[in-house]
Amino acid sequence: DVKVTQSSRYLVKRTGEKVFLECVQDMDHENMFWYRQDPGLGLRLIYFSYDVKMKEKGDIPEGYSVSREKKERFSLILESASTNQTSMYLCASNFGGRNTEAFFGQGTRLTVV
Amino acid sequence: AQSVTQLDSHVSVSEGTPVLLRCNYSSSYSPSLFWYVQHPNKGLQLLLKYTSAATLVKGINGFEAEFKKSETSFHLTKPSAHMSDAAEYFCVVSPPGGSNAGKSTFGDGTTLTVKP
Repeated sequence: DVKVTQSSRYLVKRTGEKVFLECVQDMDHENMFWYRQDPGLGLRLIYFSYDVKMKEKGDIPEGYSVSREKKERFSLILESASTNQTSMYLCASNFGGRNTEAFFGQGTRLTVV
Repeated sequence: AQSVTQLDSHVSVSEGTPVLLRCNYSSSYSPSLFWYVQHPNKGLQLLLKYTSAATLVKGINGFEAEFKKSETSFHLTKPSAHMSDAAEYFCVVSPPGGSNAGKSTFGDGTTLTVKP
């Protein structure tokens, strides 16, 4: 079974802190993604990576950065957390190519106080 | 360009009755289409996907969806709802593969409630 593992299920951080969300996949997928999920807004893509050290901005990259030093690991970084970044964060991965579904982690619910 | 619209934000059915969750899409190319399910406090799980091999796609847990190009629709159905089907459902449109694979577009989701 494909496994996408996010390092934390729940996090509480203070405004202004630097926050790291980690995601690891075990299926040698080329693509990895970070989404945030908010009620009534669905899933919105923050960043994605199609190879090691490669990244592209998604729809809402402001306030976030990412790092992909190894193929299996994709980190989301909140440089200075703010209360409007309180959300559910979902990591996903898949192979490149047509018709390939994404596999999701269980999500990290981040609260910034 | 691509977009996806889930026509109902909430659907409520009684256990044992049919389920219909509606999805319309628009795409400037031949898209890939997916339905995912999300149970509370969990990640998303693939229900089924349209691969252009057949317009009627069968998925897990008795769900199926029909691709209708003329109507630009990909509605999800199940003949008989079960209590365990209560969840949020997402319709997703994706471009052809390669580096564009990351540019999937998710619908806003439909919350399915199943009454005993």
